[in-house]
Amino acid sequence: QVQLQESGPGLVKPSQTLSLTCTVSGGSFSSGSYYWNWIRQPAGKGLDWIGRIFASGSTRYNPSLKSRVTISVDTSKNQFSLKLSSVTAADTAVYYCVRASRGAVGATGTIDSFDIWGQGTMVTVSS
Amino acid sequence: DIQMTQSPSSLSASVGDRVTITCRASQTISSYLNWYQQRPGKAPKLLIYAASSLQSGVPSRFSGSGSGTDFTLIISSLQPEDFATYYCQHSYATPWTFGQGTKVEIK
Repeated sequence: QVQLQESGPGLVKPSQTLSLTCTVSGGSFSSGSYYWNWIRQPAGKGLDWIGRIFASGSTRYNPSLKSRVTISVDTSKNQFSLKLSSVTAADTAVYYCVRASRGAVGATGTIDSFDIWGQGTMVTVSS
Repeated sequence: DIQMTQSPSSLSASVGDRVTITCRASQTISSYLNWYQQRPGKAPKLLIYAASSLQSGVPSRFSGSGSGTDFTLIISSLQPEDFATYYCQHSYATPWTFGQGTKVEIK
């Protein structure tokens, strides 16, 4: 079955760039039926979608983070990555890499859902 | 951005109880609504997609309904493993957003 695994530093200094990689195993990474996301969750709080990428490289970001976020893909390694620049303490969170599945066609496009999640990795921003 | 508002924020219930959680979108989202369960220290798990479709492997005591702006998640008979936090999420248009969560606790 498909599995996602996050990797990267657990501690990042303020103003630096947070970098995480997600490795996807056991599935069709390049299938057009799926795309790949980053979602984060500060301790004790809710879930925030950061952005997504298709295997083709097409991206879309949350406008709240758009100026600081870059998501990239390496299909040869079945990996996608997150870079978040100029981090502050507010970026401290558990970061999840997540697969989205494209569902039935609705009024404005497919009805998609986040069907497979990585276990999450805690990133702390602190000097 | 589309805002998702869940109610209640928390509830206490007993094993065997019927539990209802509601989610309201700030604009119409048709059936572009998903529900997730998150146990402490774990990643969220997809329960219901497209408002009412049960994800493979999810027990049939979970059900979802609604369309437009108002949605409901029902647990027909609460089991010990169901004590968790539940989130709704829309996929109508980016940015995707989640509700604030509903924590289901043991009475």
